[in-house]
Amino acid sequence: DAGVIQSPRHEVTEMGQEVTLRCKPISGHDYLFWYRQTMMRGLELLIYFNNNVPIDDSGMPEDRFSAKMPNASFSTLKIQPSEPRDSAVYFCASSLLAGIQETQYFGPGTRLLVL
Amino acid sequence: AQKVTQAQTEISVVEKEDVTLDCVYETRDTTYYLFWYKQPPSGELVFLIRRNSFDEQNEISGRYSWNFQKSTSSFNFTITASQVVDSAVYFCALSEGIQGAQKLVFGQGTRLTINP
Repeated sequence: DAGVIQSPRHEVTEMGQEVTLRCKPISGHDYLFWYRQTMMRGLELLIYFNNNVPIDDSGMPEDRFSAKMPNASFSTLKIQPSEPRDSAVYFCASSLLAGIQETQYFGPGTRLLVL
Repeated sequence: AQKVTQAQTEISVVEKEDVTLDCVYETRDTTYYLFWYKQPPSGELVFLIRRNSFDEQNEISGRYSWNFQKSTSSFNFTITASQVVDSAVYFCALSEGIQGAQKLVFGQGTRLTINP
């Protein structure tokens, strides 16, 4: 079975440009999560969806960040405009069913560099 | 507030040595789950184990073993007879709550280097 798929794997852009990260969760999973990993802050949850509906976006750093999940098999995380401090690895994860006991499976990540 | 502490930032051992990675957590909930993930140099996060707060039995999977002790709020991970392929950053994580919120809180990670 395919795991969580993320694209692109690497992205280099210039400050001020719009960046869109994409994620395809594991088929049948109904929770989707976006995380950011930096050296300073480690792994932090940005937002998560349940059945395509955003449940908690309290981790989204500011209005420049937005996330959507138009259907069960696709989500995007958009940064507009991007800034150098957004440089990080962005992970998407998915899990099956509700509850804290379910394991989140992570995609390979998108390494973003904003110049 | 929940918190996960991995006090060992980096560990370096020689191949075939045993190594233990420490994880201490803080939570006010009685129901919670603990996880370990591995992040190899390629960058992906690989799930290793999940343990719930009601099950303090130790777990062994091949060369890997986990020791969960509620009395000390610890969930330590031991690799026996380490191999170079075990070199990675290892993260301990905690989720709490009864249902709904699946927020994972990660520790800062321990970078493990196994030298040949």
